[in-house]
Amino acid sequence: DQQVKQNSPSLSVQEGRISILNCDYTNSMFDYFLWYKKYPAEGPTFLISISSIKDKNEDGRFTVFLNKSAKHLSLHIVPSQPGDSAVYFCAASYQGAQKLVFGQGTRLTINP
Amino acid sequence: DVKVTQSSRYLVKRTGEKVFLECVQDMDHENMFWYRQDPGLGLRLIYFSYDVKMKEKGDIPEGYSVSREKKERFSLILESASTNQTSMYLCASSGRTDSGPQHFGDGTRLSIL
Repeated sequence: DQQVKQNSPSLSVQEGRISILNCDYTNSMFDYFLWYKKYPAEGPTFLISISSIKDKNEDGRFTVFLNKSAKHLSLHIVPSQPGDSAVYFCAASYQGAQKLVFGQGTRLTINP
Repeated sequence: DVKVTQSSRYLVKRTGEKVFLECVQDMDHENMFWYRQDPGLGLRLIYFSYDVKMKEKGDIPEGYSVSREKKERFSLILESASTNQTSMYLCASSGRTDSGPQHFGDGTRLSIL
């Protein structure tokens, strides 16, 4: 039972344009969401997070949007750069729990 | 900067062997985690520990055990390695609730022949 789903295994975007990565979840108890970025042969690194009391969080070129009614979150990267090429994982947890539930990942490729 | 160090980047073992994967963190974190990453499946939690000598099963604990004798070190043990345990193994640590995200090591690519 996949509680966190990333339905697009891959995404290709031109340099300078917007990249939008999507994530859906099924567990309404989740109240904290994160995005991680992973390069080959490295561990995932934390990118940005959002609490369920917000619907948007921004950090430089990265913005995460949360739509609780649709149980959907998205990561926007503007403008996209070649160094953004990586696998992106969304993850979710609920208050008091230390466990994260991860999606399957989306491989983002930024083309020059 | 948080540092999570996994003892091996690549490991090749044979079916039936007992395999130890080691992880050390330097941030005095209470929580430590072991995941495996497989294509199309994302990261799946094997075991985690929220204190020394404490452990809890994750989503896929079968065939694995863990040990946490010291706060900074968390070991994953494959009791009798099988080919379906060939995978990328990732260790992570975090502080108490609300103290920030999990920080990951660079992973161990384990091949069971």
